[in-house]
Amino acid sequence: DTEVTQTPKHLVMGMTNKKSLKCEQHMGHRAMYWYKQKAKKPPELMFVYSYEKLSINESVPSRFSPECPNSSLLNLHLHALQPEDSALYLCASSQTGDGSGYTFGSGTRLTVV
Amino acid sequence: KQEVTQIPAALSVPEGENLVLNCSFTDSAIYNLQWFRQDPGKGLTSLLLIQSSQREQTSGRLNASLDKSSGRSTLYIAASQPGDSATYLCAAGHTGGFKTIFGAGTRLFVKA
Repeated sequence: DTEVTQTPKHLVMGMTNKKSLKCEQHMGHRAMYWYKQKAKKPPELMFVYSYEKLSINESVPSRFSPECPNSSLLNLHLHALQPEDSALYLCASSQTGDGSGYTFGSGTRLTVV
Repeated sequence: KQEVTQIPAALSVPEGENLVLNCSFTDSAIYNLQWFRQDPGKGLTSLLLIQSSQREQTSGRLNASLDKSSGRSTLYIAASQPGDSATYLCAAGHTGGFKTIFGAGTRLFVKA
């Protein structure tokens, strides 16, 4: 299995809702990442987990809460989002931080209404 | 702070042309340089990865080069096809590989 699987593919949520994005990989990668991408912009790093521990938080607002329950799963919990949080949320994984390159999922298209 | 720039921002070529996409970065202390392809509304597909100790990588009709001293990478696409139409992003990875900075991409359109 050489894929990163993200669910759901599309999500519409209200500003008072709580929802979660899920990411799964079975390549034995020990680093996992969340990126946010606005239309026609490059992906921006949000969080990095290494060996299930949060190693990088790029000053992301607390309404985004990451979780790495095991080496294959990465979640992003969403609460009280704003319309400007609407974007494509991408998950990626890599062997570790050894520069071996990233594998990306196909993303979750999030719309906040 | 690393900045990654891609030129041109958009490119339209007839089918069959050879073309070069450019990527420049301000901090030469990179760990690796990766090229990705992104179709509209989709995730990123890795095309080529060049480690900092390497000069180039090839895959099929694609060839990527890296010149750390000048802060540049190029992606060469031979005999372009309509199916190559997509946005191409380069990304500079930093020591440890955890932090990767993306360029804004080049939107390529190959006309049949």
